[in-house]
Amino acid sequence: IVMTQSPLYLPVTPGEPASISCRSSHSLLHTNENNYLDWYLQKPGQSPQLLISLGSNRASGVPDRFSGSGSGTDFTLKISRVEAEDVGVYYCMQALHTPLAFGPGTKVEIK
Amino acid sequence: QVQLQESGPGLVKPSETLSLTCNVSGASMTSSYWSWIRKPPGKGLEWIGYLFHTGRTDYNPSLRSRLTMSVDTSKNQVSLKLNSVTAADTAVYYCARYRDYAESYFGMDVWGQGTTVTVSS
Repeated sequence: IVMTQSPLYLPVTPGEPASISCRSSHSLLHTNENNYLDWYLQKPGQSPQLLISLGSNRASGVPDRFSGSGSGTDFTLKISRVEAEDVGVYYCMQALHTPLAFGPGTKVEIK
Repeated sequence: QVQLQESGPGLVKPSETLSLTCNVSGASMTSSYWSWIRKPPGKGLEWIGYLFHTGRTDYNPSLRSRLTMSVDTSKNQVSLKLNSVTAADTAVYYCARYRDYAESYFGMDVWGQGTTVTVSS
């Protein structure tokens, strides 16, 4: 399964919304009706951290300004109001089949 | 609090074997998969593989022929060995807890801080 993301670079303004798209070459919808798509954020100098699992489930401690949506092959991560601490590289990852596969990453920077 | 700590040699010569360990604290080794991921310089994340405490493994086909993962539950440790390394194996290597159960899924919810490996003579 091949994952693509757009855009690959996203300059953002604090307080404004932001959106990242992720597309899979195959449907990520399991027979249990869950979409096996995660979102991870790697902040500068840090390890990646889980933001969203199963397409839309926020991980523990993740602010509610982050939301995930989509189904099948098309997914979106939205930040309702960007904060300075949200800069970094965002990766989607499919977990329906091994080999697990990450998207190329979207670099988010403050304008 | 679950914590993962990777350790390794830092520098490995081409054609030799890379050996890394991940020490797990604050979590049962038998409750999750344990995954390895790497990030080459200037590139994105690459899944290497994962293993379960039973010894069941699943490897990235691109690395399978060179890769061995193992778990030592008595030491709360998972290990990775990658043989015949080349410069293309230079990366930051991370271990992560991967929670994928029959009835629920939580993703890679805890990551180590990563260990840098450089392959060079």
